Amino acid sequence: NAGVTQTPKFRVLKTGQSMTLLCAQDMNHEYMYWYRQDPGMGLRLIHYSVGEGTTAKGEVPDGYNVSRLKKQNFLLGLESAAPSQTSVYFCASSYEVDTEAFFGQGTRLTVV
Amino acid sequence: GIQVEQSPPDLILQEGANSTLRCNFSDSVNNLQWFHQNPWGQLINLFYIPSGTKQNGRLSATTVATERYSLLYISSSQTTDSGVYFCAVGRNSGNTPLVFGKGTRLSVIA
Repeated sequence: NAGVTQTPKFRVLKTGQSMTLLCAQDMNHEYMYWYRQDPGMGLRLIHYSVGEGTTAKGEVPDGYNVSRLKKQNFLLGLESAAPSQTSVYFCASSYEVDTEAFFGQGTRLTVV
Repeated sequence: GIQVEQSPPDLILQEGANSTLRCNFSDSVNNLQWFHQNPWGQLINLFYIPSGTKQNGRLSATTVATERYSLLYISSSQTTDSGVYFCAVGRNSGNTPLVFGKGTRLSVIA
């Protein structure tokens, strides 16, 4: 049982490049989330999904897009990366919104 | 949205000491979790505790939902307890995901 797996673990992008972060969970969870963590801050919600085919905006959605084509996968896209998107990105999943959430190991993204 | 405040922001302990970390929140909640972020950046689930008291080894937690706070107790601290402790809450209305506090950075010195 792998839990929540994020790919890749590290990435360096040039300003203006695009990339997709993949999150996969094997717990049959309905809810999935993308957060970002900046130095000295807690995690802030970017986008989330309440089920296959659905997405919703969180606290800091600008500059990101997401898709949930399959229940087990939640993709986070950056169409034109900016230095302000340098951060550590965490994916999480839960069965319901008010049940225990489990997090992936994080993706450290640097935009130069 | 809901506000989450954690205190203290930083804490330095001698190995073997006990500590209490606090999480205050501004609205009623139906979800509350405590996490430990270790020095390698991993987020480790400690407790899922929207109300009541739980214990796991040297760690225990209590949430008093009616008074809008939660406490995390660490007893006989060890150097491996070092890291950042986060409280995260879900508001008790609508489909609202977890909102995180800014964390308490704990350093345990041998």
